[in-house]
Amino acid sequence: EAGVTQFPSHSVIEKGQTVTLRCDPISGHDNLYWYRRVMGKEIKFLLHFVKESKQDESGMPNNRFLAERTGGTYSTLKVQPAELEDSGVYFCASSIGQGAYNEQFFGPGTRLTVL
Amino acid sequence: GQQLNQSPQSMFIQEGEDVSMNCTSSSIFNTWLWYKQDPGEGPVLLIALYKAGELTSNGRLTAQFGITRKDSFLNISASIPSDVGIYFCAGLNTGNQFYFGTGTSLTVIP
Repeated sequence: EAGVTQFPSHSVIEKGQTVTLRCDPISGHDNLYWYRRVMGKEIKFLLHFVKESKQDESGMPNNRFLAERTGGTYSTLKVQPAELEDSGVYFCASSIGQGAYNEQFFGPGTRLTVL
Repeated sequence: GQQLNQSPQSMFIQEGEDVSMNCTSSSIFNTWLWYKQDPGEGPVLLIALYKAGELTSNGRLTAQFGITRKDSFLNISASIPSDVGIYFCAGLNTGNQFYFGTGTSLTVIP
């Protein structure tokens, strides 16, 4: 069974540009999460989809970030316009259900560098 | 938001040594989790703890859920080179929100 995949693995863009990150969850996983780790800091929750609906987007930093999950399959996270502080590793995770007993499986992450 | 203080930040140990790392918080969590991130990969769940005082082992790994529900530790016995990576603690609160620690980077010297 394929795991969570993310594309691209690395992205280097200039401040002010737009970048779109993609996540393909494990097939059949209704729950999809986005996280971000700024270098040396904690992994921070961004948002949580259940199928195509946003269950919790309390971690989204500001309105330059837009996440979508049309059709309830893959998800995209767009940053527009990108700022220097957006640099970091963006992780996607998926799970069958929610809560403590439903393991979240993480993708390898997209390393975003904003110059 | 709730913060998890994870220590140490990094460790350099000789192969065969035991390792201990911990996480503390000012807030109560209902679940504590420990993950390992290998280079170029995403975090992988090692151990999940669901009750205060619970002590759980997974091979050479042992983790405990603190009695106060505000802390947890992870021990690795007899370290081997493949233990290298970043270890993260995570807590799940009553709102089903995950909070992660800052990570402990482990280097094992053969």
